[in-house]
Amino acid sequence: QQQVKQSPQSLIVQKGGISIINCAYENTAFDYFPWYQQFPGKGPALLIAIRPDVSEKKEGRFTISFNKSAKQFSLHIMDSQPGDSATYFCAATSIQGAQKLVFGQGTRLTINP
Amino acid sequence: GAVVSQHPSWVICKSGTSVKIECRSLDFQATTMFWYRQFPKQSLMLMATSNEGSKATYEQGVEKDKFLINHASLTLSTLTVTSAHPEDSSFYICSAKGMGLKNSPLHFGNGTRLTVT
Repeated sequence: QQQVKQSPQSLIVQKGGISIINCAYENTAFDYFPWYQQFPGKGPALLIAIRPDVSEKKEGRFTISFNKSAKQFSLHIMDSQPGDSATYFCAATSIQGAQKLVFGQGTRLTINP
Repeated sequence: GAVVSQHPSWVICKSGTSVKIECRSLDFQATTMFWYRQFPKQSLMLMATSNEGSKATYEQGVEKDKFLINHASLTLSTLTVTSAHPEDSSFYICSAKGMGLKNSPLHFGNGTRLTVT
């Protein structure tokens, strides 16, 4: 029940295309869903996050879509650039609880020039 | 923005020795810090949660006597890997939760690459 399932494991997108990464969770107590970007040898950096009271949040080229009934959320990267090539992790936690993040398995994204 | 600093960024040690990793919140006070380990091409696995001034809470399967955590102040937590063995080689990452930050997003350090020979 604590798992967050992420797909795909790897993704190759052409420059300018849309990258889409999906996550699903089971624990209905989760109420904060961040996405992290990680480059090799670096720690994860917070990209964008959403609470379940909205269905979509957009920041620049990054958009989170959230489907509370399906317990799914996804990251869309518009106009993908080679600099976006990294590993992306979705995560979930309960703001009221210990705020321990449960991470998805990660998606290695490659943007071809 | 909130910055979390980890030191050292990489360390090589001999089997049987102990290694200490520091995690500092540079511009905010962190009531809670989390320690993760990450094996190559894998996700982050939570090891323990530390609250300032109290004992750390370890996740199931993590040896508390091997991975000593100290959170002596609101800006510093340390992880000591005792009697390190090659299987402890991994990427260790800390994160910190700030006081009073709206929704308190968790900020991560840049990680410490530990290699035990």
